[in-house]
Amino acid sequence: SAVISQKPSRDICQRGTSLTIQCQVDSQVTMMFWYRQQPGQSLTLIATANQGSEATYESGFVIDKFPISRPNLTFSTLTVSNMSPEDSSIYLCSVLSWGRNTEAFFGQGTRLTVV
Amino acid sequence: KQEVTQIPAALSVPEGENLVLNCSFTDSAIYNLQWFRQDPGKGLTSLLLIQSSQREQTSGRLNASLDKSSGRSTLYIAASQPGDSATYLCAVRRGRDDKIIFGKGTRLHILP
Repeated sequence: SAVISQKPSRDICQRGTSLTIQCQVDSQVTMMFWYRQQPGQSLTLIATANQGSEATYESGFVIDKFPISRPNLTFSTLTVSNMSPEDSSIYLCSVLSWGRNTEAFFGQGTRLTVV
Repeated sequence: KQEVTQIPAALSVPEGENLVLNCSFTDSAIYNLQWFRQDPGKGLTSLLLIQSSQREQTSGRLNASLDKSSGRSTLYIAASQPGDSATYLCAVRRGRDDKIIFGKGTRLHILP
């Protein structure tokens, strides 16, 4: 299994500012993903964080709004830029474990409120 | 395009009952299926993982089945407890390193 530490756990931010969320894994993992969960909704994939190269974004998400870094196999950051109240969501980091079964694990999430 | 549907969207049952949560997916070409639990405002906890070649997995009072050909999975919870109250999410993956597609979840409330 993989243990994921995500920081901060929650934050309240002013519109127009940016917030960087960190995801630290206790072991090397092949794949890291960032999801968004808007209030009352299920999870939507923002992007796949690629080690050493640019992230792969899903339709509707762009690098200027959600820049992602992944400098090594255990760490990634997601920045929510120029925030508006519509960005208020839970943001979750997810990893796929090494090994045959490739189980997905999630961090505890970052609850973001934009005022 | 893979779509995952979970029925019912919400469920309230008295403590002690056995219950079944349903998940269906449109594309049967999956690598695996995973059931998660999410408590309000929190992250996801993995409950059970079923590989595409498997029919079911069990963990304690939980049993998950998979019928890949019909695009269905069920999560069976035996002898439900108030602590089981949470949202249960079903998710499928097409390939080993592929992204996960989630259903919208079933919000479960166990009445004491």
